[in-house]
Amino acid sequence: QKEVEQNSGPLSVPEGAIASLNCTYSDRGSQSFFWYRQYSGKSPELIMSIYSNGDKEDGRFTAQLNKASQYVSLLIRDSQPSDSATYLCAVIGGSNYKLTFGKGTLLTVNP
Amino acid sequence: NAGVTQTPKFQVLKTGQSMTLQCAQDMNHNSMYWYRQDPGMGLRLIYYSASEGTTDKGEVPNGYNVSRLNKREFSLRLESAAPSQTSVYFCASNGRTSSDTEAFFGQGTRLTVV
Repeated sequence: QKEVEQNSGPLSVPEGAIASLNCTYSDRGSQSFFWYRQYSGKSPELIMSIYSNGDKEDGRFTAQLNKASQYVSLLIRDSQPSDSATYLCAVIGGSNYKLTFGKGTLLTVNP
Repeated sequence: NAGVTQTPKFQVLKTGQSMTLQCAQDMNHNSMYWYRQDPGMGLRLIYYSASEGTTDKGEVPNGYNVSRLNKREFSLRLESAAPSQTSVYFCASNGRTSSDTEAFFGQGTRLTVV
């Protein structure tokens, strides 16, 4: 089982819709969880982090963490064409501080 | 506040040459990481340093060495570059704030080995 898995995509949504990105992880003791956005040819940009069960909102973005199900998601409300990018989920392991990434989900927001 | 700074941004090496990629962070983070990113392969961890004075292998350490020089700096060395090491290299750092956890990336180094 891979350490961090994301829905493979690509994902396409119309402008103004909600985009839902999902991630599961294998290490039950994982501590912190991150969502990044990466545009082609650029470095990953931190959208938000979460480490407690439940929801965390920041503007149009909401991260949801369920440690019992080993699941973390990112919702993007009112999606804009500028949100078109690859979204990366990352997890810090429970017994070490290794920061492991999923392969990413390519999101396209169509005008 | 510069965040994570990587140098150089671009480099071309001949097979067998050596070089060191430099990374520095000014956020007082404990943990630092080196990744490579290849098309279709995602971000693969080369080495990481959970805290000053420690380093550990990641997923793809062969052909690389690292040094955690101090809390701010974490360097990656290629002793004898190979064409398979052509990639984009990213450094990242991670730490806790009073209310959150954060992990930021440098701008990347695009390395070509010919």
